[in-house]
Amino acid sequence: AQSVAQPEDQVNVAEGNPLTVKCTYSVSGNPYLFWYVQYPNRGLQFLLKYITGDNLVKGSYGFEAEFNKSQTSFHLKKPSALVSDSALYFCAVRDMNTGGFKTIFGAGTRLFVKA
Amino acid sequence: EAGVAQSPRYKIIEKRQSVAFWCNPISGHATLYWYQQILGQGPKLLIQFQNNGVVDDSQLPKDRFSAERLKGVDSTLKIQPAKLEDSAVYLCASSLEGQTDYGYTFGSGTRLTVV
Repeated sequence: AQSVAQPEDQVNVAEGNPLTVKCTYSVSGNPYLFWYVQYPNRGLQFLLKYITGDNLVKGSYGFEAEFNKSQTSFHLKKPSALVSDSALYFCAVRDMNTGGFKTIFGAGTRLFVKA
Repeated sequence: EAGVAQSPRYKIIEKRQSVAFWCNPISGHATLYWYQQILGQGPKLLIQFQNNGVVDDSQLPKDRFSAERLKGVDSTLKIQPAKLEDSAVYLCASSLEGQTDYGYTFGSGTRLTVV
């Protein structure tokens, strides 16, 4: 069965510093991987995805994520954090080999960027 | 393009009452999802429609939850009777088709409080 883990409930970083939000996954086949962001009282917004190809994928708002097959990880990164990046971040995975299209979400990581 | 519309935004009901949520997906999106997001957790898929057919409802508590998607466009999710543990945000999402590698587009959600 597919699963996704976000080991950190919360990440704190100073504005201007690089940030990393961690995600690991488990699937039986090839994964599609996603990051979503949720601002207060807003729905989830798609940030970026990995399907195939280059392991480093770039997304919205300057975010990027690195797919590491050997470590089954898909960590979200940004070189320089902004206060406005403070939000709840969800990693999600879809197992494309099981014949279904169910996307499983992690529990979320709250990012605090301090000015 | 208009986003995924959901109503109402908020609903407070007493336990054992019934409630219904409405979702209008992005025009042309064949696949529609209902997710339940309990506070502090990631979204959990309740049901997935492809046009007006159900693709996956394995996590839908069918003794009290029901959903329909008439004519393959709008969808309603109903809870009858509601329990305290149903308090959550109910998110609707849509995508172009079940096999797409696109991310989902989520609505703003309906926050349900059962007292």
